[in-house]
Order: sequence, then structure tokens, then C-alpha cells
Amino acid sequence: EAEVAQSPRYKITEKSQAVAFWCDPISGHATLYWYRQILGQGPELLVQFQDESVVDDSQLPKDRFSAERLKGVDSTLKIQPAELGDSAMYLCASSLGQGTDTQYFGPGTRLTVL
Amino acid sequence: GENVEQHPSTLSVQEGDSAVIKCTYSDSASNYFPWYKQELGKRPQLIIDIRSNVGEKKDQRIAVTLNKTAKHFSLHITETQPEDSAVYFCAASSNDYKLSFGAGTTVTVRA
Repeated sequence: EAEVAQSPRYKITEKSQAVAFWCDPISGHATLYWYRQILGQGPELLVQFQDESVVDDSQLPKDRFSAERLKGVDSTLKIQPAELGDSAMYLCASSLGQGTDTQYFGPGTRLTVL
Repeated sequence: GENVEQHPSTLSVQEGDSAVIKCTYSDSASNYFPWYKQELGKRPQLIIDIRSNVGEKKDQRIAVTLNKTAKHFSLHITETQPEDSAVYFCAASSNDYKLSFGAGTTVTVRA
């Protein structure tokens, strides 16, 4: 069964450093999502792509976060500079289409900022 | 935007008993309600979902009910087993806006 892949699984960094996370969605899925999950809370959408275009980035802190999906397949989420409050699980998900299509999640990247 | 509230935050049940988790949502336009299970250190996995054209859906020991008038939906797990121990998230969305998640319920099944 195809799954969403993410790397790295764990990342420890110091504040003010740059970090990057990678996501490879299920083949054929046009929609890709990046979520942030703080311990004890549900996932919160950061950015949504439809193919290579950003559909929703209203919750993305654009002064330090950036995301791209250049060829409409895999995607990278970057944080520069990292802050202590960025410590969280970063989850990637994909779906065939938008709206109410089922979203499949990757294993996530656990970020710790020291 | 959509606001999803989930209760209880923690639930402990004896093996074999039933577990019920309840969620409410704010936007009457929501028409899709999935439930995800997240085991410790693993990815969230869809266990069941329901769309607004039905009131109840079952899959073996799991069932979900939806009351659109009251804007709430519930997850029911019968004959609980130790492997049901996990964090469960409800969510809501529509064709026009993003999936919004509840804060999660930590379910512990006591042997």
C-alpha cells in the first residue's frame, strides 16, 4: 500500500538555525498539505498545494516559514530562523483532490528547537 | 472559520466495554467528518468517515453518528481491545474550506 514519505523523522536544532523538511506524497495525489501538531493538540494546516500552486497559506508564518512544490510532486517546508516555539511535529498529508477527499498522512518530522 | 471541539480529552475504559467520543462543529456548511487514530509515534490514520447525506456509518466495532441539526458527531467503539489504545481526532470540512481538527482524545483500554 502506497504511503506518504517524510524525512527526516527527527530534527534537533538550535534557535536561529535553518531547518528543512521533505515530503513525498502518494503517487498521483494532486493535493499536498503541511500541518503542524503541537503536543496535546490536533494538526493545524500551515499550507495546502494543488499541484504546484499554493491554495491556502493563511496560517503559515511567512516571515520565517516557506514551502514549495516546484514540480507538483514532492515538497519542502523550510524554517529560517527557527525559534523555540517552533518545536512540534510537522506532518505532511496528500489527497487525490481537494475539499472532502480523504487525506493520508506521513509519519511526520519531530522538530526540537534548543 | 470552522471550530471543532472534542470531548473528553482522556478516556479510560475496561477491555470489552464501549468508548464514546463526541465532537461539535460550528459551521453548518461542513459536510465531511473523518476520524483519525494516532498511535504513539505513528502517523494519524483514517479509521472511519461520514458525509452529511447519512446519519450513521458502521465498520465492524467502530461506528460514527452525525446530527446535522445539532452540529455534533460521535465515534463509538464497541468491545474495546488493548490495541484500541491511542489518540483519536475528529475533524470537519466542506468543499470550500480546509479540514479542521479537534484537540484529540487519549483512549486507554485497561486489560
